[in-house]
Amino acid sequence: GDSVTQMEGPVTLSEEAFLTINCTYTATGYPSLFWYVQYPGEGLQLLLKATKADDKGSNKGFEATYRKETTSFHLEKGSVQVSDSAVYFCARNNAGNMLTFGGGTRLMVKP
Amino acid sequence: NAGVTQTPKFRVLKTGQSMTLLCAQDMNHEYMYWYRQDPGMGLRLIHYSVGEGTTAKGEVPDGYNVSRLKKQNFLLGLESAAPSQTSVYFCASSYEGITQYFGPGTRLLVL
Repeated sequence: GDSVTQMEGPVTLSEEAFLTINCTYTATGYPSLFWYVQYPGEGLQLLLKATKADDKGSNKGFEATYRKETTSFHLEKGSVQVSDSAVYFCARNNAGNMLTFGGGTRLMVKP
Repeated sequence: NAGVTQTPKFRVLKTGQSMTLLCAQDMNHEYMYWYRQDPGMGLRLIHYSVGEGTTAKGEVPDGYNVSRLKKQNFLLGLESAAPSQTSVYFCASSYEGITQYFGPGTRLLVL
């Protein structure tokens, strides 16, 4: 079935470091791809999305490009802040209007 | 707009007790979803609904029932709670069945 795989965490960075969180997905159909962020004690918030190949989603300094040839949707940010500390989830939608999530990657940013 | 709200925020149950979790959305969304989040397992879909009066099973439906009598509400029921149902439960809604918006979660502990 459809699946999403993302790098296990935690990822620990110093403030202003460059961030990459890898995400790959199974290539069935033509999914839309998403990154959600979960801050401590809160629900998931949509961070960015891309709906077709070569689209770039961006928000709050985060970016991810829909790469059909490598079935990837890696999340990047040029300079992380302490306030970016959270759990990040990659997801794809399925034919049945459902989302399949990766296992989540915890990011910890130290001052 | 309040978005997606969930009640209660936290509940403790004894094994065998029943309870209902309420999800409400004020965005006039057709699609609604119930997920559970467990450590290291990401989010897993329990049940979902594509419109008022409809429900369907997700990935982990056993032990749960749902109802969607009104478009804005989606109820998740546990008839006889088990310790394995200790989890954080998230509700989500979507207009077109692609981008989902999440509630703040309900933390459930079954003793």
